[in-house]
Amino acid sequence: DIQMTQSPSALSASVGDRVTITCRASQSINRWLAWYQQKPGKAPKFLIYKASSLESGVPSRFAGSGFGTDFTLTISSLQPDDFATYYCQQYNSYPLTFGGGTKVEI
Amino acid sequence: QVQLVESGGNLVKPGGSLRLSCAASGFTFSDYYMSWIRQAPGKGLEWLSYISSTTNTIDYADSVKGRFTISRDNDKNSLYLQMNSLGAEDTAVYYCARGWEQLDYWGQGIPVTVSS
Repeated sequence: DIQMTQSPSALSASVGDRVTITCRASQSINRWLAWYQQKPGKAPKFLIYKASSLESGVPSRFAGSGFGTDFTLTISSLQPDDFATYYCQQYNSYPLTFGGGTKVEI
Repeated sequence: QVQLVESGGNLVKPGGSLRLSCAASGFTFSDYYMSWIRQAPGKGLEWLSYISSTTNTIDYADSVKGRFTISRDNDKNSLYLQMNSLGAEDTAVYYCARGWEQLDYWGQGIPVTVSS
């Protein structure tokens, strides 16, 4: 199975900050990576696919990048609605695997 | 708009069984692969199973293989997860989701608690 490792596991930030979350795969997954946002008690929300393609309706302050084993999710200017936990997920091969999550808090 | 609504979650004793349902609306259900994912309390996301649009392709995580069975009824726009031989490690919120690679829509989740 492909292991997905996110860092940091949590970070503190303020509104307006630029935030970067890293996701590393245990082997190359090309660009087959998705990012999700989850708020407490809610289902994950799909943000980004194919490492850098923004899902329709997702604000442009979210950006994904990377290829192979190293990926990043960047929020260019953190908004109050962005405080949540973020997960990466590979779909290069089964089983699908998720990173452990990064909690973005004030 | 796309909606996925899970039902069937409950408190069940170890060794027991439960059947989850996921009612889909707002899209052509029969065109899409569907998946089940779960999240144990305070933990991350774990993919469990997917089923192809015509049911000819199915896969399971090793953690549930042989105990859980995914199925669907395209006439009823519904997805199912039959869960047998449940243990405490199966306590989680269970989500259905559209897709089998990127999961673009998720249900609100249904809690399953396995406890005596």
